[in-house]
Amino acid sequence: DAKTTQPPSMDCAEGRAANLPCNHSTISGNEYVYWYRQIHSQGPQYIIHGLKNNETNEMASLIITEDRKSSTLILPHATLRDTAVYYCIVRVAEYGNKLVFGAGTILRVKS
Amino acid sequence: DGGITQSPKYLFRKEGQNVTLSCEQNLNHDAMYWYRQDPGQGLRLIYYSQIVNDFQKGDIAEGYSVSREKKESFPLTVTSAQKNPTAFYLCASRGQARYYGYTFGSGTRLTVV
Repeated sequence: DAKTTQPPSMDCAEGRAANLPCNHSTISGNEYVYWYRQIHSQGPQYIIHGLKNNETNEMASLIITEDRKSSTLILPHATLRDTAVYYCIVRVAEYGNKLVFGAGTILRVKS
Repeated sequence: DGGITQSPKYLFRKEGQNVTLSCEQNLNHDAMYWYRQDPGQGLRLIYYSQIVNDFQKGDIAEGYSVSREKKESFPLTVTSAQKNPTAFYLCASRGQARYYGYTFGSGTRLTVV
């Protein structure tokens, strides 16, 4: 019952920008979009979140469309260490504000 | 440094035994969560607690139990009633501000032998 849709996998050349898309067409007006990534057998790592404005931090940029139905995570200069599963998530108000994780996108950065 | 500590990292259980997974945080977060992850799949919510001495079932609570006697601690017991307990278990916590995301622990991999 995840509220987001992501491609199952993507490849990116080392040093190039990685653009990971996410559809969240049923998002409510006050729900934030979060991005996490998970390297094998580790806990998910927070990357960035946003509501309706574009956001940037030291790891990535988040571009949210004006209608908020989709977003794109941008890793500006991908490295081999960015190879991971990337999850786009919206927070669900019930269940104590749980985050619903879908299957995510496997990003493979190649040299 | 503040964070969440899960222990042990690997755990082996014989069939019919109960085991308890530890989760401790020093972030002063009120809310804590337990998730289960199976190979190639996303995370599924087992239990969550928004405040000390209170907790609620998530999507897959059957065969699990929790307690929240202290703000810092949220242990998960996998009971013998859990029919397929082999999985990767993740604990998370969240601060109070509405936009806060989760901070995750490094996980415990449980294997039934």
